[in-house]
Amino acid sequence: GAVVSQHPSWVICKSGTSVKIECRSLDFQATTMFWYRQFPKQSLMLMATSNEGSKATYEQGVEKDKFLINHASLTLSTLTVTSAHPEDSSFYICSATGTGGETQYFGPGTRLLVL
Amino acid sequence: AQSVAQPEDQVNVAEGNPLTVKCTYSVSGNPYLFWYVQYPNRGLQFLLKYITGDNLVKGSYGFEAEFNKSQTSFHLKKPSALVSDSALYFCAVTYNFNKFYFGSGTKLNVKP
Repeated sequence: GAVVSQHPSWVICKSGTSVKIECRSLDFQATTMFWYRQFPKQSLMLMATSNEGSKATYEQGVEKDKFLINHASLTLSTLTVTSAHPEDSSFYICSATGTGGETQYFGPGTRLLVL
Repeated sequence: AQSVAQPEDQVNVAEGNPLTVKCTYSVSGNPYLFWYVQYPNRGLQFLLKYITGDNLVKGSYGFEAEFNKSQTSFHLKKPSALVSDSALYFCAVTYNFNKFYFGSGTKLNVKP
């Protein structure tokens, strides 16, 4: 149980395009979803926290107009990187907590490369 | 102030030997502590957690960790390491489940 999927696992795009990453909880209802960014050999940096049906809460320094987060249902959250640039290249990981919210379950991550 | 610290970037241990990966946390309310493991190009896998109760918690793959309030530590341990345990390990702490703070990660190398 407690499986979280992400799609796509890899994406390469041209600078200036937008990329959407999906995060799904497959066997539980995710009341809260988290989006992280991880640079090589570094820890996870929390970007934003989203609760179903409400606006995401962004961490300081994260541009909400650039990283659009939608948590439209209890099983799906999306992160859209708008007008991507090479510096946005990174490993993006989502996680989800269910009712009770004790444990975060992580997706497998999405590697974004912007050329 | 850093909420959780992993003082070792890397830990090397021979297969069959016991392993310890260290984690300490900053005191700020009642901490809830977690360990996750990450394999290359993968997301994080949950290993174990301390919420309340017995200070010694047992988790997946034979790992265990002890919550030590006086030393503000939550070290990850395993009695006998396997080569397949080689991975990146993250300690995390939360105080309200709204935000989790992750350590910088410790790379565990288990040599045959």
